[in-house]
Amino acid sequence: DTEVTQTPKHLVMGMTNKKSLKCEQHMGHRAMYWYKQKAKKPPELMFVYSYEKLSINESVPSRFSPECPNSSLLNLHLHALQPEDSALYLCASSQGPSLTYEQYFGPGTRLTVT
Amino acid sequence: KNEVEQSPQNLTAQEGEFITINCSYSVGISALHWLQQHPGGGIVSLFMLSSGKKKHGRLIATINIQEKHSSLHITASHPRDSAVYICAVGPVLNYGGSQGNLIFGKGTKLSVKP
Repeated sequence: DTEVTQTPKHLVMGMTNKKSLKCEQHMGHRAMYWYKQKAKKPPELMFVYSYEKLSINESVPSRFSPECPNSSLLNLHLHALQPEDSALYLCASSQGPSLTYEQYFGPGTRLTVT
Repeated sequence: KNEVEQSPQNLTAQEGEFITINCSYSVGISALHWLQQHPGGGIVSLFMLSSGKKKHGRLIATINIQEKHSSLHITASHPRDSAVYICAVGPVLNYGGSQGNLIFGKGTKLSVKP
C-alpha cells in the first residue's frame, strides 16, 4: 500500500467553526508533513512530524494546530480561520525526515473559508 | 533570484513530441525531486535524484551536480501527461544535515494536444 489518504476532499467552513483535516498512511513511514498550496503556487511547508514528534513548525499561526496520534495518522485542527487560509492542504509522508527520501503526497483537502 | 529556477514556465506540445523541462538551482543539495501535479489534484513523486540518470517508462530524469542542473524528459508525449511539473531540492544544511524544507521551483505547466 503506497497510498496517503486525506479526508475530507472538500471543506467549507465559517470563520467561527472548528474542523479537522485527517491524513493516514500505512507504509510505515516515520515522517509526515502538512503543506499549504495556493492556486498556481508551489506547496509551502507548514509542519513536519518526525517519529511522532513535531520537528518543524514553519511559523504557522496558532489557528492551525497539528496532532500526530500515532505513526500512521496526522491531523490538522482548524479554528477561527481567515478567508486567506482558503487553499489546498496537502499531507505527505516519507520513510524518514531526511530530504533524501521520496515524499508521498495525498490528494489534498480543498478548504474554503467563508 | 529564486534558489530553484524552472524553464519553460509553460509548454505546449503535440502528442508524440519529445519534451524537456529544465531545472537549475543555486544551493548545495542532498537530493533533487521531480513532482507531477494534475489540475485540482494531489502531487505524485516522479523521481528523486542525487546523481546520474533515472528512467521510468517514458520519463527520464538527469542531474549534473557540478553544473547544478537537472532535466526531465518525456518521450512520446501523450495528452495524459498534461500537468504541472515541479522541481524541488533538498538543501544541505550548515551542519551537513538534510532535514527540513524542500525548496520548490514555480513549476512548468505542460499541455499536450492530441
